[in-house]
Amino acid sequence: DQQVKQNSPSLSVQEGRISILNCDYTNSMFDYFLWYKKYPAEGPTFLISISSIKDKNEDGRFTVFLNKSAKHLSLHIVPSQPGDSAVYFCAPYTGNQFYFGTGTSLTVIP
Amino acid sequence: DTGVSQDPRHKITKRGQNVTFRCDPISEHNRLYWYRQTLGQGPEFLTYFQNEAQLEKSRLLSDRFSAERPKGSFSTLEIQRTEQGDSAMYLCASSPRGLKKLFFGSGTQLSVL
Repeated sequence: DQQVKQNSPSLSVQEGRISILNCDYTNSMFDYFLWYKKYPAEGPTFLISISSIKDKNEDGRFTVFLNKSAKHLSLHIVPSQPGDSAVYFCAPYTGNQFYFGTGTSLTVIP
Repeated sequence: DTGVSQDPRHKITKRGQNVTFRCDPISEHNRLYWYRQTLGQGPEFLTYFQNEAQLEKSRLLSDRFSAERPKGSFSTLEIQRTEQGDSAMYLCASSPRGLKKLFFGSGTQLSVL
């Protein structure tokens, strides 16, 4: 069941520019949303999260935006750095369960 | 290092063999999750423990898969009669009480020949 979709499998961005990664979901019960970053041969690591009662959360270069009416969230990375090159997963949460999207592979070009 | 530990990191086995993976969560994390990830996909939920109780198991999970967390600390995931379609990265994650966040291990990469 495809409750969480990341429609862009890959994204390439020049160093210093903004990276925007998108995530769409269908389950209105999701009440918390997380983003994870994954390097090859490693487990995912937590990046940033947002509660459903907010529409924006910022942490340094990373900002997550939530549009509940559109069931859409996005992750903005500004400025993008080569070390940001990784696969990014959105992971909405409800009822002790985390539901992962298919991921977007970000490449930041020096 | 007090992160989530998984063993082994890599496992190559022949079709039909049984394999067992171990996960040591972060100390005092009461929740433990197993996920499976294949290339181009996100982590797929397999099962979830709260302390020693297995509270949920994926409906899509074959009965060849079984998991235990006998004392509410480490967990094992066993796959019986492995098939080539079981080849994947098996990820373990733990989460402390009251926090909506997963801490992942480095995973076990399974290759079934």
